[in-house]
Amino acid sequence: GAVVSQHPSRVICKSGTSVKIECRSLDFQATTMFWYRQFPKQSLMLMATSNEGSKATYEQGVEKDKFLINHASLTLSTLTVTSAHPEDSSFYICSARVVPAVGDSYNEQFFGPGTRLTVL
Amino acid sequence: GQNIDQPTEMTATEGAIVQINCTYQTSGFNGLFWYQQHAGEAPTFLSYNVLDGLEEKGRFSSFLSRSKGYSYLLLKELQMKDSASYLCAVSVNDYKLSFGAGTTVTVRA
Repeated sequence: GAVVSQHPSRVICKSGTSVKIECRSLDFQATTMFWYRQFPKQSLMLMATSNEGSKATYEQGVEKDKFLINHASLTLSTLTVTSAHPEDSSFYICSARVVPAVGDSYNEQFFGPGTRLTVL
Repeated sequence: GQNIDQPTEMTATEGAIVQINCTYQTSGFNGLFWYQQHAGEAPTFLSYNVLDGLEEKGRFSSFLSRSKGYSYLLLKELQMKDSASYLCAVSVNDYKLSFGAGTTVTVRA
């Protein structure tokens, strides 16, 4: 299957600093990538949909000025957590949607390995 | 909003069979996915159903009934490595995935 990477895998930062997380599709082009957040023992919550060349679409309750998303190319999306606070500590996971072939509505997403953010 | 329900926890014995149910009420439907997620790792794809019926893939099978808003994941011949969280996710019309809270399966010897 398609491979999605994330960098860094783990980051610890001080409160008030900004952290950038990269999500790359390694062997395919992804016009759409998704950013999720997962708190311990909870499921994945979609934060935003990242579209190459256009502004991201944020889910209700997610602050777009705090979680900056840039989808600069067909293989790279970045999430920047600005002025991070301890409550932002979480597991951040990206996924990339494989564009279905003509006539195929299959909608599979491939997930990156996740980034564990700890804000002190 | 989207409503996807699945049991929180299940426990089974090695070699046994476990069935994880998922019911959903969503604003759109473009298929249902099951993912496996080990602690601290990203989800990995297990199965996809878009039409009613049973899809079998080795030890794992998944069933869908669109009229009932119901799916199940069947795990056969359980192995210790199957201990994980299993996520039911519905693909809604704009190709976003909405996830259930996940079912933690513990396999005991």
